[in-house]
Amino acid sequence: DSGVTQTPKHLITATGQRVTLRCSPRSGDLSVYWYQQSLDQGLQFLIQYYNGEERAKGNILERFSAQQFPDLHSELNLSSLELGDSALYFCASSRGAGGSPNTGELFFGEGSRLTVL
Amino acid sequence: GQQVMQIPQYQHVQEGEDFTTYCNSSTTLSNIQWYKQRPGGHPVFLIQLVKSGEVKKQKRLTFQFGEAKKNSSLHITATQTTDVGTYFCAGTGNQFYFGTGTSLTVIP
Repeated sequence: DSGVTQTPKHLITATGQRVTLRCSPRSGDLSVYWYQQSLDQGLQFLIQYYNGEERAKGNILERFSAQQFPDLHSELNLSSLELGDSALYFCASSRGAGGSPNTGELFFGEGSRLTVL
Repeated sequence: GQQVMQIPQYQHVQEGEDFTTYCNSSTTLSNIQWYKQRPGGHPVFLIQLVKSGEVKKQKRLTFQFGEAKKNSSLHITATQTTDVGTYFCAGTGNQFYFGTGTSLTVIP
């Protein structure tokens, strides 16, 4: 158990719909990262928040948005869903902001599997 | 932007054979981390290398960080079926840049 909680674990929806994925980071971790993993693909970095502020943005589509709340949990919103958005979405957390010589490890949640029909 | 490539993408080995995956970055990295993702699971941190030329061992796993801090390797000696999974390197420059991953299949 990594201490990172993601809900829902599975989600099936239709094209054009909107969904929200939720992530609670490990206790004490200030950074939350979102990754997309399509079938047999690598981990595509979407976005990172640190202590409520957007820290870095990766290949996140304009149809996607995220935020981190004062209690440090984060939500990833996916709208106007397309078939190609079907994937496993991972949230990860870390203690620090990342990108420094003392960068700690990432703790991953179990992921939210999104299926768009 | 920064890219981290891994080779090979897939590797099938007989149980007992050795396995190596290589990670190459287009830019110098502060650190390199390695993760393992079991089939159906989530990535789990294995190790972090910080110093140029650093070598670390974990039982049958040997991790190396290149002298120029732009490449790294993971070597598994005498693979076992429990080693099955995808191994990712992650370079930490300004952010975490995950490699493309190497999927390891171990044939009993």
